Amino acid sequence: GEDVEQSLFLSVREGDSSVINCTYTDSSSTYLYWYKQEPGAGLQLLTYIFSNMDMKQDQRLTVLLNKKDKHLSLRIADTQTGDSAIYFCAERGSSNTGKLIFGQGTTLQVKP
Amino acid sequence: EAEVAQSPRYKITEKSQAVAFWCDPISGHATLYWYRQILGQGPELLVQFQDESVVDDSQLPKDRFSAERLKGVDSTLKIQPAELGDSAMYLCASSLRAARTQETQYFGPGTRLLVL
Repeated sequence: GEDVEQSLFLSVREGDSSVINCTYTDSSSTYLYWYKQEPGAGLQLLTYIFSNMDMKQDQRLTVLLNKKDKHLSLRIADTQTGDSAIYFCAERGSSNTGKLIFGQGTTLQVKP
Repeated sequence: EAEVAQSPRYKITEKSQAVAFWCDPISGHATLYWYRQILGQGPELLVQFQDESVVDDSQLPKDRFSAERLKGVDSTLKIQPAELGDSAMYLCASSLRAARTQETQYFGPGTRLLVL
C-alpha cells in the first residue's frame, strides 16, 4: 500500500541549512509535494517535483528526489525563524483522482 | 488572491451531538477534497468531489459522516452523532480538476473540532 514516512523533529540555528527527509513506498508516484503548516493554519504548498526529475530549486528551497531509494528531501538554505513550522511530504499516486498521501509531518524549530 | 474559505474555524460540541462544517472552494475549481488531520499526524482524505459527484469516499465513516456538494460549488461535511475520536482538524482543499497532470491542491484554514 501507499505509505509516507518522515522524521518527527528537526532543530537548527538561524542562518544554517535545514534538511527534511521523507521516504515513500509507491513506486508509481507521479508527483511529490512539500507543504508547510503554521500553528492553527491550513497547509501551504511550498514546492513539488515530478517523478522523472531528480532535483528542483526554487529560491531558498532545493528538492532532491532519489527514485531508486524512494527518498525525497527538502533543503532550506539560510533558515529563518519564520521557517519554524510543520513540513509535510506528500505523494500523488498513480490513480487519476489526484489523491495525496501525506507523511506525519516534521516539526522544524529554528533557534535564534 | 483567491482562497478556500471554511467555517466555523473552531467548534466545541458534546458527544452524540450533530456538527456541520462548510467549505467554499476557489472559484472555478471543479475538484473539492475534505481531509481529516488528527493532532500529530498528516491529513487523511475523507471524501473527494468532482463537480457534484463523489469520486472517492473510501475512508469516510459512512455510518456517521456525510458530505454533499449539491450545486458543485460549496460543500458541507456533517457528523452525526459526534464521538470523542472525531476531535481533529477538518481541512478542505480544492483544485481546478483532478487528472493525471499536476494539479495543485489549495487548502483552507481548517475547522478545529473538539468533542467533549
